[in-house]
Amino acid sequence: QITLKESGPTLVKPTQTLTLTCTFSGFSLSTSGVGVGWIRQPPGKALEWLALIYWDDDKRYSPSLKSRLTITKDTSKNQVVLTMTNMDPVDTATYYCAHRESYVVAFDYWGQGTLVTVSS
Amino acid sequence: QSALTQPASVSGSPGQSITISCTGTSSDVGGYNYVSWYQQHPGKAPKLMIYDVSNRPSGVSNRFSGSKSGNTASLTISGLQAEDEADYYCSSYTSSSTQVFGGGTKLTVL
Repeated sequence: QITLKESGPTLVKPTQTLTLTCTFSGFSLSTSGVGVGWIRQPPGKALEWLALIYWDDDKRYSPSLKSRLTITKDTSKNQVVLTMTNMDPVDTATYYCAHRESYVVAFDYWGQGTLVTVSS
Repeated sequence: QSALTQPASVSGSPGQSITISCTGTSSDVGGYNYVSWYQQHPGKAPKLMIYDVSNRPSGVSNRFSGSKSGNTASLTISGLQAEDEADYYCSSYTSSSTQVFGGGTKLTVL
């Protein structure tokens, strides 16, 4: 059974760098076609697609946030890490990681999400 | 890339059918058969309801169906039930090999 869980700081200061870790089980990120993505949701607002990393280390980023995002994977640890630089209060949101099945363009399993607040 | 356009809210009575639209461009919805729909209850993570325009994952009720015409995709829920009350989001693959979500639609079951 596939599970994902996000971890990281709940509070960051403006201008700081956010580092979030997605720890997963039930699948391997070395399986052809599989991907893990990050999505965020500000309180009361819509989902926003952030980044995706594939089994072969191919990476995709939201064009509007590309300069601030880095996504990496550690296959041996079953983890995906997202870093976002220069955090601002508008980046306050629940951050989700999610699984993408081989060659299916949709997220079929999601983590519970982690709320990150940006405030001084 | 701009968010896909969804109505802010829709409503229906139990047993009725409702349709939620999702409008994009030829660079996303209209260009690929990779539209997905998610249901989100308050305080919960989104749940995949439809992928590849009209496919249902295992375990999703057949009351949920999807379609697409041109740059607009649609989610139809038939036989509306109280438990269907939630926020719904569409998503599409884009020409930049990323994905984009819609602004979300709040479904109220009257």
